[in-house]
Parts: sequence; structure tokens; C-alpha cells
Amino acid sequence: AQTVTQSQPEMSVQEAETVTLSCTYDTSESDYYLFWYKQPPSRQMILVIRQEAYKQQNATENRFSVNFQKAAKSFSLKISDSQLGDAAMYFCAYRRTNDMRFGAGTRLTVKP
Amino acid sequence: NAGVTQTPKFRILKIGQSMTLQCTQDMNHNYMYWYRQDPGMGLKLIYYSVGAGITDKGEVPNGYNVSRSTTEDFPLRLELAAPSQTSVYFCASSLKTSYKAQETQYFGPGTRLLVL
Repeated sequence: AQTVTQSQPEMSVQEAETVTLSCTYDTSESDYYLFWYKQPPSRQMILVIRQEAYKQQNATENRFSVNFQKAAKSFSLKISDSQLGDAAMYFCAYRRTNDMRFGAGTRLTVKP
Repeated sequence: NAGVTQTPKFRILKIGQSMTLQCTQDMNHNYMYWYRQDPGMGLKLIYYSVGAGITDKGEVPNGYNVSRSTTEDFPLRLELAAPSQTSVYFCASSLKTSYKAQETQYFGPGTRLLVL
């Protein structure tokens, strides 16, 4: 079974600075997708960014970017110019066909 | 569009009781999903449906049942509630246009269930 590991239960960043959240996964497949979801206190799950495994280019969405290392099975999220509204739980997720697996999450605190 | 709506927001059940968690989407999505999120953990897939009349098990289906009689609705049934089913339940939907497409899932706000 595929597993997703987020080794940082909590992270903290100063407002306007950059933070990187780590994620590793285990799979024997070559074709899959990776996601980062944000879950604020409202508990809504919000898609932050997605990466197709067949693409070598790292995905970016405004202040959010990923470092996808397929051979190392690593998928980290970089948040630049952190804002107070970025404070939330962040979940890394792996998906192949209809099987979606989530990591345990990283709680990000943003200090003013 | 309201997106994905879930009812109730919160429910307390006694052990052995049954209940149905409701999920409705108004985006004409073909795929729908049920997840549970235990405290301090990520989401785990319970069941999913690829269209009306078709459902399949996810990672943790035991103790649950689903049905999909319409495109819009995907209720989750708990027949004999157990303390281990205390969790937050999320419904999600997506529009999948081909087998290999990896579409974006849209999540509902969640239902918090406490079994005592």
C-alpha cells in the first residue's frame, strides 16, 4: 500500500519569510499525482497545488511551489512571503486512479 | 453553486445507534467520495462512487455503507455506531473526464461525529 509521510508535525514561520514543508511517499508506480491541501480551522479542505509525476517541471501557484524529486520520492512545499492567512494544517496527498492517500499533516503557524 | 454540502454539521450518537450522513453536490460531478479524518491524522478514503448506481470500497470501508441513486447525492450509512467511528467525515466530488484523468476534488465542510 502506498504511504505518505510528513515528518514535521508542526512548523513556524515569521510573516513575509519563506518556509518549506516536507513530504515523502512510498510507491512502486511510475504514474501518479501528488497534492498539497490546506485545512484552516474551518476544516474545509482547500487544494493548494498539484503535481503530475510524469512532469519534470515543478508546479507553482503564486507564492506556493513544490520541489518534486521523483527518484527520492520527495514532494516538499515551499511557501514564499508567508502571510497570516497561510496558518493552517497542510496535508500532502498521493493519488493513483481512485486511491488517494494522505499524510498526517503539518500544522503551520505564522508569526506576525 | 453551493458546491458540496454536508448535513449534519455535528452529531452525538450512542453506541449501537445508526445514522446517515448526507452529502449533496450541485456541480454535476460524476465522482463522489467519503473520507474520515481522525484526530491528528490525514484523511482516509471510506467509499467512492464513479457514477449513479456504482460504488466501491476505499481504504477503510468496514462499518459503513453507501448508495448512489442520483448524481447529486451520496449518503453514508453507519449501521451500528462504535466509539472507533468517532471522527470528522468529509464528502468530496470531482468531474472525471477519463480513466487516467486526475481531476481536482472539491470537499464539503465536514461532519463531526462523536460516538459515546
